[in-house]
Amino acid sequence: GIQVEQSPPDLILQEGANSTLRCNFSDSVNNLQWFHQNPWGQLINLFYIPSGTKQNGRLSATTVATERYSLLYISSSQTTDSGVYFCAVVRGRQLTFGSGTQLTVLP
Amino acid sequence: NAGVTQTPKFRILKIGQSMTLQCTQDMNHNYMYWYRQDPGMGLKLIYYSVGAGITDKGEVPNGYNVSRSTTEDFPLRLELAAPSQTSVYFCASSYYSFRDQGGPGNQPQHFGDGTRLSIL
Repeated sequence: GIQVEQSPPDLILQEGANSTLRCNFSDSVNNLQWFHQNPWGQLINLFYIPSGTKQNGRLSATTVATERYSLLYISSSQTTDSGVYFCAVVRGRQLTFGSGTQLTVLP
Repeated sequence: NAGVTQTPKFRILKIGQSMTLQCTQDMNHNYMYWYRQDPGMGLKLIYYSVGAGITDKGEVPNGYNVSRSTTEDFPLRLELAAPSQTSVYFCASSYYSFRDQGGPGNQPQHFGDGTRLSIL
């Protein structure tokens, strides 16, 4: 099956810093989603991005499908950004998740 | 709309017991999914359904059963609970129409809040 790798596995930032999370995938995909899992375990849809760039406030995402990667940018990080960030790729009817990036933002 | 609702939120089972995890959605979505999330890992697909009466296996179906008698409900059953099934279980739903370009995977999935299951 398709492999989805995320880096870095862990990231610790000071509040106000910027960060870039990466998602690499091993085969062509129909689409890609980024999720934030908050400390309470809830999964929150961030972006649904097969290609190109999208922005939502302090967060933006870029997917380069031909090169099989996606990037999630977090600017001016806040403590509420802490949690695990997952990318998940879509092939056919199934979503395959990476193992996530654990982000900790310190006050 | 409540979205995707899962019950119970927490449960402890003994080895060999059985139970059903409930999932219901009120968005009239035709596709529904069950995932499990083990500690420190991403989610893995257990089963999915493309509509009432139709189910199919995902990546890790062993030890589980599902049914889809209505559009709204997609229960997941554990028949003989084993310690390896200790996990957090997520239900999700999405909508697909044949008019949607790119296939059913091109619609975002909406997730419930999860059921934390421990088997001792």
